[in-house]
Amino acid sequence: GAVVSQHPSRVICKSGTSVKIECRSLDFQATTMFWYRQFPKKSLMLMATSNEGSKATYEQGVEKDKFLINHASLTLSTLTVTSAHPEDSSFYICSAPAPLTSHAADTQYFGPGTRLTVL
Amino acid sequence: ELKVEQNPLFLSMQEGKNYTIYCNYSTTSDRLYWYRQDPGKSLESLFVLLSNGAVKQEGRLMASLDTKARLSTLHITAAVHDLSATYFCAVDTYMDSNYQLIWGAGTKLIIKP
Repeated sequence: GAVVSQHPSRVICKSGTSVKIECRSLDFQATTMFWYRQFPKKSLMLMATSNEGSKATYEQGVEKDKFLINHASLTLSTLTVTSAHPEDSSFYICSAPAPLTSHAADTQYFGPGTRLTVL
Repeated sequence: ELKVEQNPLFLSMQEGKNYTIYCNYSTTSDRLYWYRQDPGKSLESLFVLLSNGAVKQEGRLMASLDTKARLSTLHITAAVHDLSATYFCAVDTYMDSNYQLIWGAGTKLIIKP
């Protein structure tokens, strides 16, 4: 069945470095992907909507220069955390709408998440 | 302001008991989702409710939707330990030319043997 993968699943980096997280849709194409962030013991927070071939749409309060999103193909969106700081440490999850032609056309497929720790 | 409110946020219960988690939302929507999240894991889709009066059941979980009241419930029957997890509801809404999910805060459910 359709699956969304993320890479890496876990990353530890030094403060000031940049980290790229990949979100791939497997076996289906996704013109839109969503990036979420989860703070400890909190619900997911939508960060941005990634649109294939155009600029991402960022939620209010999310710095677009800090969290760079590139949706270069119909199966890949990337989130780059630039000049990461310890407060960027979090669990990042992407999702993609299930294909309209699939049996699960009304749901979202979630990636397994990426745990980012900035030292 | 678009809001999705879950109640309760934390629930500790004994095995074998019944309980209900509530999800109220403020926006107009006819698609509501329930997800389960185990610690450190991504979300697992449980139910998609698409219309007023929709009721879906899977094992000991049953979800319902009342779009007029903007309320969904997730009912747990004869709870077992394996159902311990955090449960999220989310509502589809169309804004700024995009469909987005608005999430509830989650209900952490602990079921004690």
